[in-house]
Amino acid sequence: DAGITQSPRHKVTETGTPVTLRCHQTENHRYMYWYRQDPGHGLRLIHYSYGVKDTDKGEVSDGYSVSRSKTEDFLLTLESATSSQTSVYFCAISESFGSGELFFGEGSRLTVL
Amino acid sequence: KNQVEQSPQSLIILEGKNCTLQCNYTVSPFSNLRWYKQDTGRGPVSLTIMTFSENTKSNGRYTATLDADTKQSSLHITASQLSDSASYICVVGSGTYKYIFGTGTRLKVLA
Repeated sequence: DAGITQSPRHKVTETGTPVTLRCHQTENHRYMYWYRQDPGHGLRLIHYSYGVKDTDKGEVSDGYSVSRSKTEDFLLTLESATSSQTSVYFCAISESFGSGELFFGEGSRLTVL
Repeated sequence: KNQVEQSPQSLIILEGKNCTLQCNYTVSPFSNLRWYKQDTGRGPVSLTIMTFSENTKSNGRYTATLDADTKQSSLHITASQLSDSASYICVVGSGTYKYIFGTGTRLKVLA
């Protein structure tokens, strides 16, 4: 298994509070991604990173921000959580962009009350 | 609009039987097509990756096919086992970084 650790794995929070999810990799892969998975939808890209301090938006980026200060860590922040952000969040990594293997973490289940 | 549609949404089969899952896509440009297995409460794990020029790829009891002309792919599972119970997700790579995910087929294998 690829060395990807997500934390926390489960979190319950209240509307309006900030939340940070962490993805840590030990594979030294350049590319890191945050996806959300909701019933009735395929995984949807929130943000991705192509290097330290290099990030870009995905298709559902509103309400989310990311940071990558080290190769191994990619943080996803919800500045002010809303109930619509209740979801399972997956971090993924890849060596190359688009053509390489995409490895996923175990997911972080977030519930916003 | 780029889309990946999978059928059936769910499937129940008896242990030892074979099954075939379908994936139809309308994605442009097309880079590759992947099948993932996702156990309940876990992250997706790759089964196969196929490029435009490949029409069959096997991984043990899993065989994926790709027809780039009709934009269809299938995943055939042979001699199913209880551990095959999972969701199977079809993913189409588009361009340099974009992945379009299907909503998955939920497979239940009964003893």
